[in-house]
Amino acid sequence: GAGVSQSPRYKVAKRGQDVALRCDPISGHVSLFWYQQALGQGPEFLTYFQNEAQLDKSGLPSDRFFAERPEGSVSTLKIQRTQQEDSAVYLCASSLAEAFFGQGTRLTVV
Amino acid sequence: KQEVTQIPAALSVPEGENLVLNCSFTDSAIYNLQWFRQDPGKGLTSLLLIQSSQREQTSGRLNASLDKSSGRSTLYIAASQPGDSATYLCAVNYGGSQGNLIFGKGTKLSVKP
Repeated sequence: GAGVSQSPRYKVAKRGQDVALRCDPISGHVSLFWYQQALGQGPEFLTYFQNEAQLDKSGLPSDRFFAERPEGSVSTLKIQRTQQEDSAVYLCASSLAEAFFGQGTRLTVV
Repeated sequence: KQEVTQIPAALSVPEGENLVLNCSFTDSAIYNLQWFRQDPGKGLTSLLLIQSSQREQTSGRLNASLDKSSGRSTLYIAASQPGDSATYLCAVNYGGSQGNLIFGKGTKLSVKP
């Protein structure tokens, strides 16, 4: 595709609900990153994939967060048993050398 | 700890002014540095990418400089316009193609007509 696509754009979840956020990277981009951006802050790194391999998940805040990229293209970030502190914008980026970001998914946990 | 700091946090200027946004980073061993623009409720738009071997990059009215030795980058915007109003984020990459970006908190720019 022309750019990085994320869906849904907005998600409201009840506390305790599981959510799944999708990222379609730019075709051919080997590297894929997930970031979390709290209100008024810069994005913070969550996890990194090189093709289908998850090489770095040091930024995932808890074991409720899980990401996968099974075929080395589309990636899904899953959050189990959502909590209010999970409310943020979740950004996906793909990269060859320069990072290109999607529009993000704004998650609100109520 | 590798940290990125942006000053000022917010800036309001009249239309037509030239302005400078500042970014500093604690570890000078960077791979590259990228400036982004973020509009409210939107994702990040890449403005300029500066490799560690470069001193500056230019795109239209934007010029970004890099001084690794002092751990600083500046984004210069010439002849500012109301459409430039947005949050500008600086991000440093230490790990190359496999490296994640470390972001500052951004400078929120408002250009008044």
